[in-house]
Amino acid sequence: KAGVTQTPRYLIKTRGQQVTLSCSPISGHRSVSWYQQTPGQGLQFLFEYFSETQRNKGNFPGRFSGRQFSNSRSEMNVSTLELGDSALYLCASSLGRINEKLFFGSGTQLSVL
Amino acid sequence: QKEVEQNSGPLSVPEGAIASLNCTYSDRGSQSFFWYRQYSGKSPELIMFIYSNGDKEDGRFTAQLNKASQYVSLLIRDSQPSDSATYLCADDQTGANNLFFGTGTRLTVIP
Repeated sequence: KAGVTQTPRYLIKTRGQQVTLSCSPISGHRSVSWYQQTPGQGLQFLFEYFSETQRNKGNFPGRFSGRQFSNSRSEMNVSTLELGDSALYLCASSLGRINEKLFFGSGTQLSVL
Repeated sequence: QKEVEQNSGPLSVPEGAIASLNCTYSDRGSQSFFWYRQYSGKSPELIMFIYSNGDKEDGRFTAQLNKASQYVSLLIRDSQPSDSATYLCADDQTGANNLFFGTGTRLTVIP
């Protein structure tokens, strides 16, 4: 069974640009969560989607948005990039029930110059 | 979002010793606790999960949960250099359908 797939693996952008990251969950998984990981802050929860609906959202500005498609694939968008957005963005999938284990993709390393 | 706290380390242990990693959480409603291992430059991978008070063993790993003290730990017996990684503790928190992570403890096993 294929794992969680994230594309692209690396991205370099400049301040003010926008970026879209993609995540394909494990087959059969309906929940996709997004996390931002930085050396100082660890893994910070961005948002979670289940059956095309956002169920939970973390404490990030509105520049960070996401969506989920009917095939459970998800995209995350960051607009008006800032230097502080440089981070590893991780996507995780699960069946979406309470107490579920998360399975992570390899992440997208975003560098904002 | 309530806190999940870990000692950031680094924690160094000699090869063959027991490594003890600790985590405290503030949400009394949390029901499930997870330990992830993350090698440098890689994504987190699940190694243990525990729902009930007490100990749960899986090979060289033992997870311990004490809900009264809001404390969860991971013991790694016969530590190997390949265990050198950052270990992340996570809980599910009340009403959430996702996990909240601590900042991780970096473990180094010295040959």
